[in-house]
Amino acid sequence: QKEVEQNSGPLSVPEGAIASLNCTYSDRGSQSFFWYRQYSGKSPELIMSIYSNGDKEDGRFTAQLNKASQYVSLLIRDSQPSDSATYLCAVSQLTFGKGTKLSVIP
Amino acid sequence: DAGVIQSPRHEVTEMGQEVTLRCKPISGHDYLFWYRQTMMRGLELLIYFNNNVPIDDSGMPEDRFSAKMPNASFSTLKIQPSEPRDSAVYFCASTPGTALMNTEAFFGQGTRLTVV
Repeated sequence: QKEVEQNSGPLSVPEGAIASLNCTYSDRGSQSFFWYRQYSGKSPELIMSIYSNGDKEDGRFTAQLNKASQYVSLLIRDSQPSDSATYLCAVSQLTFGKGTKLSVIP
Repeated sequence: DAGVIQSPRHEVTEMGQEVTLRCKPISGHDYLFWYRQTMMRGLELLIYFNNNVPIDDSGMPEDRFSAKMPNASFSTLKIQPSEPRDSAVYFCASTPGTALMNTEAFFGQGTRLTVV
């Protein structure tokens, strides 16, 4: 069974710090990876997608992929209280992790 | 575009009753997904369609669950009979038909189902 594992948190960081979110997956043949942000009571919305090994940057967000280690991460620089949410790691659209709850403390 | 539209937003029903959840995908999107989200199990894929055809329903928990997509602009998820353990938030999502695995899913607002 294909699995995606995330630390459930909560992860607390002070405002302005770097938040680091991690994810591992079991299917070595996976090709596409996504990070979604979900505010409480809302639907998931895409933050980043990544398909190749290495880093991908978009504003304050950087996604990192290491297919050999089956590991995906999301870094949030200069964390803001508005970043407080649950972050879901997804492999294609078929398998999601349970999410990591991030709390940014003002 | 109005995005993925789900109805109802909230549903409270008694155990044993039939429940029907509805979804209108984004126009032009060829893939439609139904997910269920609970605290215990997270976001789980139930079934997905490509061009109105069910492709993988291995996530459908039991025969009490069924899903249909009679046309490109409408899908239903039905639970009959409903049970308290079906209480969850059900999301519908759609993606363009370029490449299933390489495009983000656009989610509807979800239906919060409570079975008492």
